[in-house]
Amino acid sequence: GQNIDQPTEMTATEGAIVQINCTYQTSGFNGLFWYQQHAGEAPTFLSYNVLDGLEEKGRFSSFLSRSKGYSYLLLKELQMKDSASYLCAVREEGGSYIPTFGRGTSLIVHP
Amino acid sequence: DAGVTQSPTHLIKTRGQQVTLRCSPKSGHDTVSWYQQALGQGPQFIFQYYEEEERQRGNFPDRFSGHQFPNYSSELNVNALLLGDSALYLCASSLFVGTGLNEQFFGPGTRLTVL
Repeated sequence: GQNIDQPTEMTATEGAIVQINCTYQTSGFNGLFWYQQHAGEAPTFLSYNVLDGLEEKGRFSSFLSRSKGYSYLLLKELQMKDSASYLCAVREEGGSYIPTFGRGTSLIVHP
Repeated sequence: DAGVTQSPTHLIKTRGQQVTLRCSPKSGHDTVSWYQQALGQGPQFIFQYYEEEERQRGNFPDRFSGHQFPNYSSELNVNALLLGDSALYLCASSLFVGTGLNEQFFGPGTRLTVL
């Protein structure tokens, strides 16, 4: 199984840049997902990485290093609405295509 | 195009009771996965249904059972409720294509409180 670690909480200022890290241990890597979840709402898909490198999508970017078991989500030009929990999820090889979620990082954006 | 829908939105039960939660997947999707999310935690995988059969199961006791209907909708049943079953129950739909992105779309969840 996987062991996924991400910080519990982060704070940042509106307009700034924040990087949310995720480390994982897995016997066979088959993709990493980032989801955003506002309080009391469903997670919504942000990004998917299966190869090393940076995937950019508007204000959000996600990076993956498979050899280091490491990913980060980069949020630029922070807005108040970005205050949410950010979930890192890892999928393993071997027949199961169900991603395992970390506990999430609660991001608080203040003026 | 309707997304994933779940019912009810909120539910209050007492210990020992039984509960049934319902989910309709996104149009065109054939696979439904159920997750339990305790406060401050990430979603924990309960099980996945495809072609009306349970295909994968997480580390949950037999008190948790499910069903998928021919129209792909699904139910989650929990028997002999415990206080620790209080959580947000999320349904996610996808296409059963295995690897690749295979993006899951989540419903709004059912908030279950066990007293």
